[in-house]
Amino acid sequence: DAGVTQSPTHLIKTRGQHVTLRCSPISGHKSVSWYQQVLGQGPQFIFQYYEKEERGRGNFPDRFSARQFPNYSSELNVNALLLGDSALYLCASSAAEGPFSYEQYFGPGTRLTVT
Amino acid sequence: GQNIDQPTEMTATEGAIVQINCTYQTSGFNGLFWYQQHAGEAPTFLSYNVLDGLEEKGRFSSFLSRSKGYSYLLLKELQMKDSASYLCAGSGYNKLIFGAGTRLAVHP
Repeated sequence: DAGVTQSPTHLIKTRGQHVTLRCSPISGHKSVSWYQQVLGQGPQFIFQYYEKEERGRGNFPDRFSARQFPNYSSELNVNALLLGDSALYLCASSAAEGPFSYEQYFGPGTRLTVT
Repeated sequence: GQNIDQPTEMTATEGAIVQINCTYQTSGFNGLFWYQQHAGEAPTFLSYNVLDGLEEKGRFSSFLSRSKGYSYLLLKELQMKDSASYLCAGSGYNKLIFGAGTRLAVHP
């Protein structure tokens, strides 16, 4: 079975632009979470979705938004990009109904560089 | 607050045992995860403790004391491939808070 997939792998954007990152969870997983990982730091939780509903939100500005589709894939959107948004964006899926009591499987990430 | 604290770096010798500690403020967390992350790769799950005590899984064991806000990851019979960052993460109902990670270097 395929693991969590993310696209694109790498992305370069300029300040002020917007970006859409995509994630496909493991087959059968209904929960998707998004994380931002800055070099040298642990992942920071952005959003968690289960059955197309937002179940959790981290401390990120409203420029960050996400959604989950009927096939459980997900998109993360970031508007008005800032230099500080440069990071590795990780998607994780789990079989959990509740947000974080189960093992999460991470995708390879999307490396976003904002210039 | 819900800070997660762990040492930044540790070194150990191949074949040895190493313990990586993690402390956290207890409010809002009902369990603790450990993940391994090799450089340039995604984190991979190692363990999840929701009850106090020791969970053993092969060469890796994880311990949790909820009342003390303390956990550790114990790695036995270290191998060179264990060189990686080890991330401690506290879980609550609608959040998962990661520490900054402990970078472990295993030397021959």
